[in-house]
Amino acid sequence: DGGITQSPKYLFRKEGQNVTLSCEQNLNHDAMYWYRQDPGQGLRLIYYSQIVNDFQKGDIAEGYSVSREKKESFPLTVTSAQKNPTAFYLCASSNLGLVEQFFGPGTRLTVL
Amino acid sequence: KNEVEQSPQNLTAQEGEFITINCSYSVGISALHWLQQHPGGGIVSLFMLSSGKKKHGRLIATINIQEKHSSLHITASHPRDSAVYICAVRWRGGNQGAQKLVFGQGTRLTINP
Repeated sequence: DGGITQSPKYLFRKEGQNVTLSCEQNLNHDAMYWYRQDPGQGLRLIYYSQIVNDFQKGDIAEGYSVSREKKESFPLTVTSAQKNPTAFYLCASSNLGLVEQFFGPGTRLTVL
Repeated sequence: KNEVEQSPQNLTAQEGEFITINCSYSVGISALHWLQQHPGGGIVSLFMLSSGKKKHGRLIATINIQEKHSSLHITASHPRDSAVYICAVRWRGGNQGAQKLVFGQGTRLTINP
């Protein structure tokens, strides 16, 4: 089945540790996105990528890093510099120039 | 103040009721996206709109570009419609690359049997 997978669904880390969230898509989409969702707030864009080996900061990129070595993969690293990392993280993809984005199931990160 | 405002933030109704969720935005847009987020967190696309009205099953989405407003309607609501409904907009002038969207805060809908 075509779609976007994110793993794991739940992730627990100790404060001060870096953690990498996985996102894989087999939709052959060029564009991929990472969002953060906090209770009562809209999704906020962390990073996005339009092409392999290129990515752009979104609205809240501080404390995060990404890579895009393959078209189908766009992992997000939450670094120890992120002040409040506990949140729900969603990955999405789309065709270039099209507004409709397809979302993965999300990863809920809790930093203890 | 959020540039995309949804109302109400929470809505509880009885099964069978007609539901309306509203989305207002501040400046011109080129497209608006209605999404549904299930209790487990997964998000699915419902509608893409740039003008007029679209219908899919019991769901109807309308947009009024002049008034900068869109509505999502659910007819004959059912408990399985319980979810968070999110609107997102692309501002006018968007490029042909990756599309940066601005999201509303969501409307939590609960349909009681």
